[in-house]
Amino acid sequence: GNSVTQMEGPVTLSEEAFLTINCTYTATGYPSLFWYVQYPGEGLQLLLKATKADDKGSNKGFEATYRKETTSFHLEKGSVQVSDSAVYFCALSGGTSGSRLTFGEGTQLTVNP
Amino acid sequence: GAVVSQHPSRVICKSGTSVKIECRSLDFQATTMFWYRQFPKQSLMLMATSNEGSKATYEQGVEKDKFLINHASLTLSTLTVTSAHPEDSSFYICSANRQEEGTQYFGPGTRLLVL
Repeated sequence: GNSVTQMEGPVTLSEEAFLTINCTYTATGYPSLFWYVQYPGEGLQLLLKATKADDKGSNKGFEATYRKETTSFHLEKGSVQVSDSAVYFCALSGGTSGSRLTFGEGTQLTVNP
Repeated sequence: GAVVSQHPSRVICKSGTSVKIECRSLDFQATTMFWYRQFPKQSLMLMATSNEGSKATYEQGVEKDKFLINHASLTLSTLTVTSAHPEDSSFYICSANRQEEGTQYFGPGTRLLVL
């Protein structure tokens, strides 16, 4: 079945530091890949997505590239802000799971001023 | 962007009562919606898949008679927690699948506290 493995957290950075959150997956077929962000007490917001190999999703300075050869979808941002503090979830859909999402465990990011 | 709302955002009820949570897709139609439960500092746990006009599909271990799901229209799904007990206290989140994008959009969540 499908699975998603995320870099363990929590991650603490200073403002303007470079961010990488690793995500690897196991899936049959050609899944779509997503990053969602959850701020405290809220639901999940779609941050970015990619639907095929070598696609790059980007939004609000965050980027992730669909790497089929390494089955990875690592999230990066060049310069984080305090407002980026949140929990980040990597997820996939497709293959044998259809439209259901398979989530990683989430990574708590704290950015200090 | 696609917007999904949930109501109520927070509810406190007495043990033994039933609570209904609504999930609406505001600017698109969704044949499929999903209901999740989230425990503190954990990932989302899928409870059930709600399909418009048909019975919901429940995940293993989720009691269908306790968590009643109705998806009566293409923009509304409801989750009713029947005879709620303190162990049902949790954060419930719904999502709606925007089929043409192959993407789930999430509601803001409902915090349920059963006393």
